[in-house]
Amino acid sequence: AQTVTQSQPEMSVQEAETVTLSCTYDTSESDYYLFWYKQPPSRQMILVIRQEAYKQQNATENRFSVNFQKAAKSFSLKISDSQLGDAAMYFCASTNSGNTPLVFGKGTRLSVIA
Amino acid sequence: ETGVTQTPRHLVMGMTNKKSLKCEQHLGHNAMYWYKQSAKKPLELMFVYNFKEQTENNSVPSRFSPECPNSSHLFLHLHTLQPEDSALYLCASSQGGSRGSYEQYFGPGTRLTVT
Repeated sequence: AQTVTQSQPEMSVQEAETVTLSCTYDTSESDYYLFWYKQPPSRQMILVIRQEAYKQQNATENRFSVNFQKAAKSFSLKISDSQLGDAAMYFCASTNSGNTPLVFGKGTRLSVIA
Repeated sequence: ETGVTQTPRHLVMGMTNKKSLKCEQHLGHNAMYWYKQSAKKPLELMFVYNFKEQTENNSVPSRFSPECPNSSHLFLHLHTLQPEDSALYLCASSQGGSRGSYEQYFGPGTRLTVT
């Protein structure tokens, strides 16, 4: 079974600074997919970034990037030039295929300080 | 706007009521999901439907009854709920299939309060 662990319940960052959110996972599968989702106060769950395990290159989406360490089973999210709108709960998630549900971590609440 | 809509957005119901939550996706996906999100608890998967067939029931009490009439619509029928069922209920969809794209897209949720 897959497990996803987020060890930081809360984090804070100054506006315009960089912050890294941690995520570790465990799976016996060789082919899997990793995601970061953002849930702002509106409670809308929004996909931030995805990473295919077979790809060595770290995914990047504008100010969001990941550090994917496959051997260490680590998948951290880096947010550069943090903005007030980045304040939200961030969930790390994993799945093996399109037919299996996502397994979510417990989330990290990010605060952005002006 | 993610392409997944949920109605109603807020629902207050008594323990003896019967109500239904509706989810609709406009993304052409084949898999749909119900999740429960309670305060201070992890996201809990409830049901999974692939190509209209229920493929997972995560030990959900029978007072929650899902229905998937087609790949675009998913319902959650509620009856004789308990106060501890008060939560945010999230619907999601994904392309599904063995080689589809695997990310899920979520609706805005229904905030349910059971009195």
